[in-house]
Amino acid sequence: EIVMTQSPASLSVSPGERATLSCRASQSVSSNLAWFQQKPGQAPRLLLYGASTRATGIPARFSGSGSGTEFTLTISSLQSEDFAVFYCQQYNAWPLAFGGGTKVEIK
Amino acid sequence: EVQLVESGGGLVKPGGSLRLSCAASGFTFSSYSMNWVRQAPGKGLEWVSSISTGSSSIYYTDSVKGRFTISRDNAKNSLFLQMDSLRAEDTAVYYCARAAAAYWYFALWGRGTLVTVSS
Repeated sequence: EIVMTQSPASLSVSPGERATLSCRASQSVSSNLAWFQQKPGQAPRLLLYGASTRATGIPARFSGSGSGTEFTLTISSLQSEDFAVFYCQQYNAWPLAFGGGTKVEIK
Repeated sequence: EVQLVESGGGLVKPGGSLRLSCAASGFTFSSYSMNWVRQAPGKGLEWVSSISTGSSSIYYTDSVKGRFTISRDNAKNSLFLQMDSLRAEDTAVYYCARAAAAYWYFALWGRGTLVTVSS
């Protein structure tokens, strides 16, 4: 089974700054990687799929890159509404798997 | 409005059973594969089970195999999760999630229903 590892576990960033989140797969998942954002008390929301394609309605400040085993989610200029927990998910093989999450906090 | 609404959660004793439902609206339910994802209190997301459009393909995470059964009723736009032999570690918010067309990422989520397994 594929294990997804996210780093760092938490990140303190000032509004307006850039945040870079990493996701690593234990074996290649090609570009079959999605990113989600979850705010407290809410369901997750799809941000990106195919490693780099933004979902409908997602602002351009969210971007993704990578393929194979190494992936990055970048938030170019953090807004107050962006502070949340972010998860990656591989859908290349069964069982489907999420990373452990990265919490982005206000500095 | 496109939405998924879960129901059926609650408090159940270890070894008990519960049946979760997910009502879909605003889209052609029969055209999409569906999933259950759970989140234990204060923890991350965990994929639980998936079912294809016509129920021909069904998948489970190892920890629920033999105890949980996923099913769907396309005529009633509904997804189900029958949970038997429940354990304390099954305590979580259970989300219904719609897959994308042809890919197994979770494009649409419900708000979740809480299942608590405790004596």
